[in-house]
Amino acid sequence: NAGVMQNPRHLVRRRGQEARLRCSPMKGHSHVYWYRQLPEEGLKFMVYLQKENIIDESGMPKERFSAEFPKEGPSILRIQQVVRGDSAAYFCASSSTGTRGAFFGQGTRLTVV
Amino acid sequence: QKEVEQNSGPLSVPEGAIASLNCTYSDRGSQSFFWYRQYSGKSPELIMSIYSNGDKEDGRFTAQLNKASQYVSLLIRDSQPSDSATYLCAVITPSGGYQKVTFGIGTKLQVIP
Repeated sequence: NAGVMQNPRHLVRRRGQEARLRCSPMKGHSHVYWYRQLPEEGLKFMVYLQKENIIDESGMPKERFSAEFPKEGPSILRIQQVVRGDSAAYFCASSSTGTRGAFFGQGTRLTVV
Repeated sequence: QKEVEQNSGPLSVPEGAIASLNCTYSDRGSQSFFWYRQYSGKSPELIMSIYSNGDKEDGRFTAQLNKASQYVSLLIRDSQPSDSATYLCAVITPSGGYQKVTFGIGTKLQVIP
């Protein structure tokens, strides 16, 4: 049973480009969470999704960031017109019920140059 | 008041000692509690979950939950240098029809050989 898969593991984008981060949850998991982490800092919640629904996006910046979890395929976190401040590790986690512990993917390290 | 509070540390303990990591939470309605371990540059790994008052043991790890006092702790017996990591406390609370996951900032543990 494969774990949570994130790709790419590393992503370099120039300022102004778009970044697309993908997350395939564990088999049977329908709850997906996205977090951002800066070096030596804690996890910052961004968004919580279930299949085809955004449940809580209170941690998402109002502009340039969007997330989806379609009926088929992985969850996508999209960052438009990236800026240097978007450079961070982005982690995805999935859960089967929302009341049990979530399992994390390896993360995507985004670098904006 | 932060929803989930942890001392950021670092907490230094000698090899072989017991490391005690603490976490307090603000919402009495919280139902599920987790400890994650995160090595530097890696993703968080779920190591313990606890749902009812009392102790739960798994190898060298013991999670303790006291809902009346709203705290959860993690004890690591016979600490090893390989236990040096940041330990994150996570709490799940019913909120607006869904289960909200909140992470503490994490406590950095250093086990000194």
